[in-house]
Amino acid sequence: GQNIDQPTEMTATEGAIVQINCTYQTSGFNGLFWYQQHAGEAPTFLSYNVLDGLEEKGRFSSFLSRSKGYSYLLLKELQMKDSASYLCAAMDSNYQLIWGAGTKLIIKP
Amino acid sequence: IAGITQAPTSQILAAGRRMTLRCTQDMRHNAMYWYRQDLGLGLRLIHYSNTAGTTGKGEVPDGYSVSRANTDDFPLTLASAVPSQTSVYFCASSAAGGGLDTQYFGPGTRLTVL
Repeated sequence: GQNIDQPTEMTATEGAIVQINCTYQTSGFNGLFWYQQHAGEAPTFLSYNVLDGLEEKGRFSSFLSRSKGYSYLLLKELQMKDSASYLCAAMDSNYQLIWGAGTKLIIKP
Repeated sequence: IAGITQAPTSQILAAGRRMTLRCTQDMRHNAMYWYRQDLGLGLRLIHYSNTAGTTGKGEVPDGYSVSRANTDDFPLTLASAVPSQTSVYFCASSAAGGGLDTQYFGPGTRLTVL
């Protein structure tokens, strides 16, 4: 079956760095997406990886290893506004997104 | 620019009633999607449409129907609501259907079926 695993919850300190991991198993693979979702709001797109390696976008970076079925989202210089859920989603061979349950990130001052 | 709008924002519904959730986008995107989001679970695809006039079933289509008469609108209908359909429903769209493309989400509809 198809499956996405990511931690349920993580806690980090303002100004620090946090890495949110995601492992996936899908029928075929057409890329890995990360979305941010604040409580009570819609998911918003953060990043997309289809090739192995690190993609950097400001304070956020995303990494992919296709051979290991693994990705992570790296958030640097954490701010209180980064408190949110981070959703990992893999696109399968039918171009449909398979979503993880999300990682709730709590930022403490 | 509104992007994607959904209505209603929230609704409490008696079991057995019929309900249509509305979704409209103004980005001229070809593809549209309906997801439900439940606590502890990932977003689950209910139905999708790659282009106006076509629809397809997602992971959890039972009890739901959709139509895509034009590019902008993609209503989701619950013919006879049941308590297990209590959820937050998100509509999304992407420029290209059936291909690599970022999905953009509406604000969601919180539905409670009693």
